[in-house]
Amino acid sequence: GQQVMQIPQYQHVQEGEDFTTYCNSSTTLSNIQWYKQRPGGHPVFLIQLVKSGEVKKQKRLTFQFGEAKKNSSLHITATQTTDVGTYFCAGPSSSGYALNFGKGTSLLVTP
Amino acid sequence: GAVVSQHPSRVICKSGTSVKIECRSLDFQATTMFWYRQFPKQSLMLMATSNEGSKATYEQGVEKDKFLINHASLTLSTLTVTSAHPEDSSFYICSASKLISNQPQHFGDGTRLSIL
Repeated sequence: GQQVMQIPQYQHVQEGEDFTTYCNSSTTLSNIQWYKQRPGGHPVFLIQLVKSGEVKKQKRLTFQFGEAKKNSSLHITATQTTDVGTYFCAGPSSSGYALNFGKGTSLLVTP
Repeated sequence: GAVVSQHPSRVICKSGTSVKIECRSLDFQATTMFWYRQFPKQSLMLMATSNEGSKATYEQGVEKDKFLINHASLTLSTLTVTSAHPEDSSFYICSASKLISNQPQHFGDGTRLSIL
């Protein structure tokens, strides 16, 4: 499958600070998806990016897909304690149905 | 949104026991379901793709005789961990997507398996 690398592994911020996680692939991705997993919970779908250079926003979250469709980022503005969790990017597997997940970025926000 | 139900949520059992985990799509038909395994503070590792009415496709390194998958209907897939040992202790999560590829996956709540 198409492996995706994700950094950083951990990020600890003060509430109100911004946060960014990055995802990179060595091959072009047809699409990339982002998921959030709260501690003790299951991954929840956030968004899917398909187009080259695409930028999508969900309130304080901004998602970008690179021009070459090999990298993506998730940026959170003014973090809140409710943003705590692990954020995963995922690219399609060779079958196109399953997903290859990045290692995830665990975000800790302290008040 | 689409709902996927996974049962049981937690299992604690003795070494040598076989454990069956169920994954149901409640409001849509899922020709394909996926089984993942997640170790603490690590990513989700795809174990197998479960196909309704046919054999599952296992990822490299996953023992098909150890992890039996049955997908008998469009709404139910089961994963049986046979003769479980402590090293099989993990968080197992299923997911399902609608029939088209590149669609978002909807995850069950996961099953935390602890083998004593």
